Formats: sequence, structure tokens, C-alpha cells
Amino acid sequence: NAGVTQTPKFRVLKTGQSMTLLCAQDMNHEYMYWYRQDPGMGLRLIHYSVGEGTTAKGEVPDGYNVSRLKKQNFLLGLESAAPSQTSVYFCASSYGRGGYNEQFFGPGTRLTVL
Amino acid sequence: AQRVTQPEKLLSVFKGAPVELKCNYSYSGSPELFWYVQYSRQRLQLLLRHISRESIKGFTADLNKGETSFHLKKPFAQEEDSAMYYCALTINFGNEKLTFGTGTRLTIIP
Repeated sequence: NAGVTQTPKFRVLKTGQSMTLLCAQDMNHEYMYWYRQDPGMGLRLIHYSVGEGTTAKGEVPDGYNVSRLKKQNFLLGLESAAPSQTSVYFCASSYGRGGYNEQFFGPGTRLTVL
Repeated sequence: AQRVTQPEKLLSVFKGAPVELKCNYSYSGSPELFWYVQYSRQRLQLLLRHISRESIKGFTADLNKGETSFHLKKPFAQEEDSAMYYCALTINFGNEKLTFGTGTRLTIIP
């Protein structure tokens, strides 16, 4: 089992460019999440999905879009990148069982927007 | 809305000394609490969860509903405990979202 994988690992963009981050999981999890991690801010939820074909906004959704066309994949898109989106992006997935819930994280994508 | 506060950004402890990482939460209902850890060059991973009442790697955490706290404790620190620690909260019968604190970087001094 590969667990949660993220593509790419690193990326540098210019302001205004677009890109898509791919998250894949092979654990048959229903729930998937995208976070960003910034110094002093912890992890903040961008968007999440509670099942194939569903998406919902998290804490900091502006400037991002997501899609969950297949259960195992969760895509995060930046339509017009801004320097404020420079961050480390983490994807996670879980079965979703309340107090027994464990989120499994990917290795992260380090994005720099110039 | 729920909120998790970790008051210490940085914490340095000598090897063999006790460790306590503080976590306070605000939520009007009954939350479920977790501690996640990120070791250097590793993924963020679950350390322990309140509902399991477990001790992992010598760490324990007790939910104090009166003080709305979920502090992480270990009686004798080890060098391999150096890492970033995040406290997190979810609500039952919700959408399984986790709300994270801002994290505490623990450094064990040899």
C-alpha cells in the first residue's frame, strides 16, 4: 500500500499561472482533505470531500477549486496563483468515524509563487 | 465554531525531564481530541486519540472538560521525541473535519 501520495513534490509558479495538485489514496477512504501549512498558522483546511462526487469548503477556500471525480483521487486547482498561496500543501484521507477517525497524510507539496 | 489553542510555539526540555505540551479547546458540545506529530522529514501522523485512552511512545493525554484542555504529557523525555506536535479536534456526527492548533515545536536537549 502506497497510502496517500501527492504529485508534484515541489513546484515554482509565477503570479497568474495555474496548476493542479493531485492527491491519490489506495485505502478506499471516503473522506479526503486539502490543507495548507504556514509557519505559525498550523494546518488550515482548504477544501474537503465526504465521498466521490462531493466537495465542500473549508476554512480558507478562496483562490482554490477542487474535484473528486474518482473516490481515490482529490485534485486541488489554483486558477491564478498569487504569492499569498506560497505554502506547503498536504492532502489527507480517512474512514471518518468520529473519535476513532485517523487522518492519513501525504508527504506534502511545497509550492512557491513568485 | 470550534477552536484549538496551543500557547507554546517552541518548547525545549532536557533529556530525561518531564514533558507537557499544552492544548486548550473551545467548543460548546462534546469534541473528540487528538494529538498528531510530525518528525523531521516524515509525514504528519496520529500520535494518540482521547477516545482510545492509550499511551503511545510513553505519551498520554487526559481530556479535562472543566478546563477544556487536552495536554500531552510524558514523564521522561527522549531525544527522539523532538518533533512538531499538533493538537486537533473533531465533532461527533459531523463531517469528520479536523481543526488543528498552530503546533508546538518540541526540542529535547541531550
